[in-house]
Amino acid sequence: NAGVTQTPKFRVLKTGQSMTLLCAQDMNHEYMYWYRQDPGMGLRLIHYSVGEGTTAKGEVPDGYNVSRLKKQNFLLGLESAAPSQTSVYFCASSPVLGIQYFGAGTRLSVL
Amino acid sequence: RKEVEQDPGPFNVPEGATVAFNCTYSNSASQSFFWYRQDCRKEPKLLMSVYSSGNEDGRFTAQLNRASQYISLLIRDSKLSDSATYLCVAPAYNQGGKLIFGQGTELSVKP
Repeated sequence: NAGVTQTPKFRVLKTGQSMTLLCAQDMNHEYMYWYRQDPGMGLRLIHYSVGEGTTAKGEVPDGYNVSRLKKQNFLLGLESAAPSQTSVYFCASSPVLGIQYFGAGTRLSVL
Repeated sequence: RKEVEQDPGPFNVPEGATVAFNCTYSNSASQSFFWYRQDCRKEPKLLMSVYSSGNEDGRFTAQLNRASQYISLLIRDSKLSDSATYLCVAPAYNQGGKLIFGQGTELSVKP
């Protein structure tokens, strides 16, 4: 049982480049989330989805877009990467409120 | 005031010690809470749920004090493997299953 899988695991971008992070879950969960984690800042919610075809903004949505075309996948896009987006990105899925299963994370550096 | 606040630590304790972390929350309507554990550079994982008065699981006890709006996590007989960051989490009700994460409390258990 794979759980929550994030790809890629590592990525280095130049300022202005774009990329898409993929999150896939095989647990048939309705809720999915994208977070970023920075030293001293804790986990901050970027965007989330309460079901296929729906998305909503979290605490820090600027500079990111998301799509949930299929229930099992939640994509996070960086339109024009900036050094401030250097972070560790975690995806999570949830069957019920409060219980979230996280992917292993994507470490992104923007130069 | 932050919605969920934790003492960041670090807490440095010897093996076998008992250690307690506190977490305060601001939304008095919150009904349930969660403790997640995060190992260095890894994804957070659910440790315990806290409903009504509290919960116990082996060496771990979580308690909820609604009057004072805080949650505690007690670890008895600390093991080296307990070294991690412990995240206090409260659901943001009526906000699509969002969770509010505290910044985490770092625990280091020494031989």
